[in-house]
Amino acid sequence: AQSVTQLDSQVPVFEEAPVELRCNYSSSVSVYLFWYVQYPNQGLQLLLKYLSGSTLVKGINGFEAEFNKSQTSFHLRKPSVHISDTAEYFCAVSDRGTSYGKLTFGQGTILTVHP
Amino acid sequence: GAVVSQHPSRVICKSGTSVKIECRSLDFQATTMFWYRQFPKQSLMLMATSNEGSKATYEQGVEKDKFLINHASLTLSTLTVTSAHPEDSSFYICSARDLSLGAGQPQHFGDGTRLSIL
Repeated sequence: AQSVTQLDSQVPVFEEAPVELRCNYSSSVSVYLFWYVQYPNQGLQLLLKYLSGSTLVKGINGFEAEFNKSQTSFHLRKPSVHISDTAEYFCAVSDRGTSYGKLTFGQGTILTVHP
Repeated sequence: GAVVSQHPSRVICKSGTSVKIECRSLDFQATTMFWYRQFPKQSLMLMATSNEGSKATYEQGVEKDKFLINHASLTLSTLTVTSAHPEDSSFYICSARDLSLGAGQPQHFGDGTRLSIL
């Protein structure tokens, strides 16, 4: 079984400031890692994923995340945020060993970008 | 990119009504589809996993007779909330995955259905 902890439920930042959304996971097996974004009353959109290889992965909208196996973390970063980045962000993992790819989600972090 | 269409986006109906929600993969064959429920200000809770041509696998605590799932084709899965009551009001989201692309492929999500039972 896996669990995902997003350490901050809300993160307020000013426009053009950098931001980091933290994610830690726990799993007895190897996992794939994902970040999704959800805008109000919409489904989830994939930002980026880590499957293997380089631990720094780049996604859409200028976001990137770094996989740290020893710290079991997968923090999401953006060097300069925009008002349009205001949304809820979910970190998720899935078990590498199963074919169905069931996702376990964190509780979500609401990012609010202020002008 | 992959697109998943979910319909309807919003439903308001009376208690006791059955409601069907459709989830379609528009540009890929979704061998596996997932149904989630999301309560306000909370994360997504997986309700069930459906595989084309076989019975859905329900998560613990989810009533299979209440939430009927049919994955009749490689591009369509439906969730029917039978005899819905106010406590079934929620945001329901589907996702689809193309296993033919290999392991680790991400799930692609629909835009969700806001269900309100009066």
